[in-house]
Amino acid sequence: EDKVVQSPLSLVVHEGDTVTLNCSYEVTNFRSLLWYKQEKKAPTFLFMLTSSGIEKKSGRLSSILDKKELFSILNITATQTGDSAIYLCAGDRGSTLGRLYFGRGTQLTVWP
Amino acid sequence: SAVISQKPSRDICQRGTSLTIQCQVDSQVTMMFWYRQQPGQSLTLIATANQGSEATYESGFVIDKFPISRPNLTFSTLTVSNMSPEDSSIYLCSVAGGLALYNEQFFGPGTRLTVL
Repeated sequence: EDKVVQSPLSLVVHEGDTVTLNCSYEVTNFRSLLWYKQEKKAPTFLFMLTSSGIEKKSGRLSSILDKKELFSILNITATQTGDSAIYLCAGDRGSTLGRLYFGRGTQLTVWP
Repeated sequence: SAVISQKPSRDICQRGTSLTIQCQVDSQVTMMFWYRQQPGQSLTLIATANQGSEATYESGFVIDKFPISRPNLTFSTLTVSNMSPEDSSIYLCSVAGGLALYNEQFFGPGTRLTVL
């Protein structure tokens, strides 16, 4: 059975802190690992990781995938109140493109 | 990325009725999907909407309850049939594969459904 486990489930930090969000996965026919930010209804795409050991960066956010140990991390440096959201990771079950299996998410709250 | 719209954005329905949700994309995409997010839960894939053929449903979801259409490469509908309060969820369409998308996957704004 496919499994995506995120930790921690919730995290409260102050502005300027650095946070690391974890995602471990066991996904059939694994193709890629995706990270999303969800503030209201629609998840917003952050990263798609396909290869091990290659860090992807976008501003203060970065992410890396370890396909041997089956996990990924999402780092956010110098956090801001606007980073408060649920962060979701999902494994792409690659038999056909895009069948994503989601974890339960990490609720991040950033206090001013 | 693609611009994805969904209609309606929210609705309140009586049990036993049906609701059809529309998803429109501003460019042709290879894959369209429908997800459900029940209160306090993560997203669960309902089905893959296949253009010109029957949708492919995930375990636990059936066509009689969630009929799906995809008449072309930019549009799909999901119907939630014979609704019960347990169907109260956010329903999201997502798209992947297309000239503007590479291999990334994007979500529409969602439809918040409440069943009384």
